[in-house]
Formats: sequence, structure tokens, C-alpha cells
Amino acid sequence: GAGVSQSPRYKVAKRGQDVALRCDPISGHVSLFWYQQALGQGPEFLTYFQNEAQLDKSGLPSDRFFAERPEGSVSTLKIQRTQQEDSAVYLCASSFSRLDTIYFGEGSWLTVV
Amino acid sequence: QKEVEQNSGPLSVPEGAIASLNCTYSDRGSQSFFWYRQYSGKSPELIMSIYSNGDKEDGRFTAQLNKASQYVSLLIRDSQPSDSATYLCAVNMAGAGSYQLTFGKGTKLSVIP
Repeated sequence: GAGVSQSPRYKVAKRGQDVALRCDPISGHVSLFWYQQALGQGPEFLTYFQNEAQLDKSGLPSDRFFAERPEGSVSTLKIQRTQQEDSAVYLCASSFSRLDTIYFGEGSWLTVV
Repeated sequence: QKEVEQNSGPLSVPEGAIASLNCTYSDRGSQSFFWYRQYSGKSPELIMSIYSNGDKEDGRFTAQLNKASQYVSLLIRDSQPSDSATYLCAVNMAGAGSYQLTFGKGTKLSVIP
């Protein structure tokens, strides 16, 4: 596709439920990022992949958050035992290399009730 | 804590006027600076990047950087209603890895016809 594709676009989860958010980056993009954007806030860095290697996961807020990119293309962000404070937009972004322009997907809007 | 500060607004300007958006950052060693535009419910879109002191112009947009004052701004000339959006300042903080962006909370711009 032409851009970064994310699914689902909207997800309502009951507190305690596990969720999985998918990101399909732009073809050929080596670098992949996950950001979390709470309402009225700017995006906050979660994690970074270069191909299949997760080089930085310093922004993941707790051990309930897990990200993978096993074949160096599609990535999944998994949140276990969701809590209300996890409600946010989860933005995936990709770039050709870590120094190039970053393109964001439309985001996955997660609401935990 | 490394921070990026923006006035949250809303900033209202009449159509045709110059909109001035400001951003300060805490890390003096920061190297790269970006302005993203985010329409409501949409993903951030890169509109300007700037790396050295001075002005950089692209169409109706001018980014200004003053590293000594730790200040970066975005001017939008001949503002149009379609410019109404939230503008996010993002900084590549020194030591965060050249890939990780720290965002401000964004300034909401409203251009009044």
C-alpha cells in the first residue's frame, strides 16, 4: 500500500482483556516505531525496530506491553490485561532508514472500559 | 526530564494573516527539529524539518531555529481555513538515539474565514 496501515482502527476492550494492534509499514522501510498518543497530548515514543530487531523498548510503560516484528515487516503491539490508563491512540510509523522522514499511520484508537 | 513545550492554544487568526507557532526545548544538545500537522482524528504529517540556525522556507511555511535560545518556531503566511489543525513540535534529543522524537503537546490553530 501507499502508506502505513494499522488495524484495527478502533478497539473497545474491557479492563483486563488482552489486545493486539497490527502495523503494516510502507514497503521497504527498515525502521518501524510505535508511539502512544493520549487525548490532548503529543505522541510519546514506545519502541523502535530496525528490521526484525527491537533496538529500543525504553518507552514501553510496563511489562504488560510487548511488541514484535518477527519477519522485519509487519509489527504487532500487544497489551496484556488492559487498564483504563491504556486508553489512547497507538501510532505506528516507518521510515526507509532511521535518519529518514518518518511516516505515521492513522493510528489504532483503544478505549478500555 | 527532557521536554518540549508548546502553547496549547487555541490560536485563532483571520484568513490571510500570519500564524506564528512557538516551541521551546530543554536539551541544549538537540540536533533535529520538526513540525508536524495533525488534523483531528488523523495521523501527524511532517510539514517542515530544520537542522541549523536561521530560517528555512517552504511555500507558505517558514521554520525558524535559534539553538542558543533553544527555540524553534513555525510561521504560516496567508493562513487558510484548511490550515486549521494541531501543530506538533518534535525534537530529536541528544542521547535519545537519532531516531527517537520527543513531541510537544501541540498548538491548536484555528483560521477564521
